[in-house]
Amino acid sequence: DTGVSQDPRHKITKRGQNVTFRCDPISEHNRLYWYRQTLGQGPEFLTYFQNEAQLEKSRLLSDRFSAERPKGSFSTLEIQRTEQGDSAMYLCASLPGGAGTQYFGPGTRLTVL
Amino acid sequence: AQSVTQPDIHITVSEGASLELRCNYSYGATPYLFWYVQSPGQGLQLLLKYFSGDTLVQGIKGFEAEFKRSQSSFNLRKPSVHWSDAAEYFCAVGSMEYGNKLVFGAGTILRVKS
Repeated sequence: DTGVSQDPRHKITKRGQNVTFRCDPISEHNRLYWYRQTLGQGPEFLTYFQNEAQLEKSRLLSDRFSAERPKGSFSTLEIQRTEQGDSAMYLCASLPGGAGTQYFGPGTRLTVL
Repeated sequence: AQSVTQPDIHITVSEGASLELRCNYSYGATPYLFWYVQSPGQGLQLLLKYFSGDTLVQGIKGFEAEFKRSQSSFNLRKPSVHWSDAAEYFCAVGSMEYGNKLVFGAGTILRVKS
């Protein structure tokens, strides 16, 4: 257990539905990262926050994706109008300060039917 | 563009044999280098990391890795593999210049035969 938690661990939804995932980082970590991992691939960066500010978004993050980190604590990742191509593991990681080791949560496995 | 290459998709070794997993990177800044391990359906666990200094780094579970700047490589080694080491291994690179976001390789699946 790294101290980073994600909820839910699994989500099955139908195409076109909206889903929201939550990540709770290690409490003193001010950076939070989201990654997406599809089958047979390594994780790919989606976005990251420093405290409540979203500092960068990947081109992978289409307009249907939005992430927030209110108050610089937990973060949510919402996908609107899900598509089958959104099926993946969504990983969250937190980092103390500006450098060092990212600690990953267990991930949320999304299946879009 | 930043990239990480893990040339071996699958590797099978006998229990007790030595292991080397290869990782090459292309990166436009001073890299931080990492090896993570992932069991099926789980998140990523850090094995070891290199930021600076001694180019041979020790990690958990008896793993080590050597940073070779001239070859842009960061290969992972273990002298004697245990059945519990069977998992998927990911090499990753990041830097402060790029916000510390990690670029991962595609992973190497390690199978251990008894």
